[in-house]
Amino acid sequence: TQLLEQSPQFLSIQEGENLTVYCNSSSVFSSLQWYRQEPGEGPVLLVTVVTGGEVKKLKRLTFQFGDARKDSSLHITAAQPGDTGLYLCAGEGEKLVFGKGTKLTVNP
Amino acid sequence: DAGITQSPRHKVTETGTPVTLRCHQTENHRYMYWYRQDPGHGLRLIHYSYGVKDTDKGEVSDGYSVSRSKTEDFLLTLESATSSQTSVYFCAISFSSGVFSTDTQYFGPGTRLTVL
Repeated sequence: TQLLEQSPQFLSIQEGENLTVYCNSSSVFSSLQWYRQEPGEGPVLLVTVVTGGEVKKLKRLTFQFGDARKDSSLHITAAQPGDTGLYLCAGEGEKLVFGKGTKLTVNP
Repeated sequence: DAGITQSPRHKVTETGTPVTLRCHQTENHRYMYWYRQDPGHGLRLIHYSYGVKDTDKGEVSDGYSVSRSKTEDFLLTLESATSSQTSVYFCAISFSSGVFSTDTQYFGPGTRLTVL
C-alpha cells in the first residue's frame, strides 16, 4: 500500500512569515498533486508535478518534486491570512493516494 | 466550478437506517469517485467508477455500495448506517485515470453525514 506522510500536521504562523510543508513516501509516484481545501468545501487542485526535481511556482507558492519522485515540498513566502486552509498532497500511482493534510492558519 | 453537485449537503440519520448520497456531474467525465474525510485519516477512497455500470472498491469499501446507471450520476448507499460512518463524504470526477495519467480530480462540495 502506498502511503504519504505529511508534516507538520498543524501550523500556525503570523502574516508575513515563510513556511514549508512536506510530503514524504517510501513509494515512487508517477506524479504528485497539491490541493488546498477551505472549510466546508472540497479540495481544489493547486499544482501537479511530474518530473523528478521539478520546481513549479504559483505566485508566492513554490512546489518541488523530489529527484526520486518519492517526496515533495510546498513553500509559501510571506504568508497571508488568505493562505489559511488544509493543504493536501496526493500521489498518483494505480490510484490517487492522499496524505492526511497540513492545517495552516495564518494570523493577521 | 467543475459542474459537480452533491445531495443532500447535510443529513442526520439513525443507526440501522439506509442512506443514499447522490453525486451529479455535468462534465461527462468518465471517472467518478467517492471519498470520506475524517480527522486524523485524511481522504480515503470508498468506491470508484470507470464507466456506466463499471465500479470497483477502494480502501474503505466495507458497509458501502455504489451504483452508476448514467454517466452523470454516481450513488453511494449505506445499507444500514452505523455511527462509524459519520463523516464528510466527497464525490470527485476526473477525465482520465491510471498510472500514465496526471489528470485532475475535481471535487464536489461534500455531504456531512451524522449517524446517531
